[in-house]
Amino acid sequence: AQTVTQSQPEMSVQEAETVTLSCTYDTSESDYYLFWYKQPPSRQMILVIRQEAYKQQNATENRFSVNFQKAAKSFSLKISDSQLGDAAMYFCAYRGANSKLTFGKGITLSVRP
Amino acid sequence: NAGVTQTPKFQVLKTGQSMTLQCAQDMNHNSMYWYRQDPGMGLRLIYYSASEGTTDKGEVPNGYNVSRLNKREFSLRLESAAPSQTSVYFCASRVQGPSYNEQFFGPGTRLTVL
Repeated sequence: AQTVTQSQPEMSVQEAETVTLSCTYDTSESDYYLFWYKQPPSRQMILVIRQEAYKQQNATENRFSVNFQKAAKSFSLKISDSQLGDAAMYFCAYRGANSKLTFGKGITLSVRP
Repeated sequence: NAGVTQTPKFQVLKTGQSMTLQCAQDMNHNSMYWYRQDPGMGLRLIYYSASEGTTDKGEVPNGYNVSRLNKREFSLRLESAAPSQTSVYFCASRVQGPSYNEQFFGPGTRLTVL
């Protein structure tokens, strides 16, 4: 079974600075997809970014980018120019051949003004 | 276009009571999912329905039943609620197809079992 590990329960970043959230996963599959979801205090789950494992190029979405290291099974999220609205819980998730999402335990990000 | 809707938003039950959480989507998605979210545990899959007429167990199905009423609706039933089922419940849906297709989530239901 696949597992997703987010080892840091909390992180803090100064407004306008850059922060990196870590995620590792374990799988025997070669073809899969990875996602980062944001959950603000409203509880709504919002997709931030996704990465296809067969693509070597790291995905980017505006201020959000990933560092995907397939051999190391690592998938970190970098948030540049952090904003107060980035404060939320962030979940890393994996989807493989069975099409089911497996989530990590999440990390709470706070942004200091 | 409301996306994924869930009712109710909040519910308090006593141990042993039953209830059904409702979920509907208006995006013509084939697949629908029920998750529970507990502090420090992330989201865990309870049941899912890959298409109308099919349902399958997820990671934590014990104590729950589901019904895929039609393509739009997917309900989750607690027959005899227990305090361990206190959680936030999310419904999600996804169009069938490539695995990069994202899941769309409802706003969640906060359930407390006393």
